[in-house]
Amino acid sequence: TQLLEQSPQFLSIQEGENLTVYCNSSSVFSSLQWYRQEPGEGPVLLVTVVTGGEVKKLKRLTFQFGDARKDSSLHITAAQPGDTGLYLCLGTSYGKLTFGQGTILTVHP
Amino acid sequence: SAVISQKPSRDICQRGTSLTIQCQVDSQVTMMFWYRQQPGQSLTLIATANQGSEATYESGFVIDKFPISRPNLTFSTLTVSNMSPEDSSIYLCSVTSGTGSNQPQHFGDGTRLSIL
Repeated sequence: TQLLEQSPQFLSIQEGENLTVYCNSSSVFSSLQWYRQEPGEGPVLLVTVVTGGEVKKLKRLTFQFGDARKDSSLHITAAQPGDTGLYLCLGTSYGKLTFGQGTILTVHP
Repeated sequence: SAVISQKPSRDICQRGTSLTIQCQVDSQVTMMFWYRQQPGQSLTLIATANQGSEATYESGFVIDKFPISRPNLTFSTLTVSNMSPEDSSIYLCSVTSGTGSNQPQHFGDGTRLSIL
């Protein structure tokens, strides 16, 4: 059974602060996707990383895939209240999908 | 990306009854999935809806409790049968297009189900 440990589970910060969310596993994934979900809506894809060591940037968000493709991180710079939501990582491997436990981020103005 | 319409968006049901949730996509998709989610928590895959054949269920989920149909490449239904309060949850449909395991998933907005 593949596990994807996501941390922290909860994050409450002030506007302007930086934060990092981690997803770690002992298993290798062919890709790692990050989603953001707001209340009453379905998760929305932020990024897909497929290459070990890959770094992708989306405005203030930086995503990294570990060299061994077992872990990933999401870093947000200068968080804003609009970043508030549930962040989910999803690992894919041979057609099997494994979600992390999710991180609820609250950014206070 | 695919536009997914999920109905109903929410419902309150009596225990022992059944509810069918519909997922309609505006384009043909390769894969359709059904998930369950408690508010603020991660998603649990119920099953993969296969077009023209029986769905593939994950461990802990059975066809008698969660019958699924997928008559074509753009539509699927999930029925929650003989509901109990433990079935209160958010049910989400998702789809992928193209081939390959790295395809992104596109989600509907979910059905929030409460069982009294």
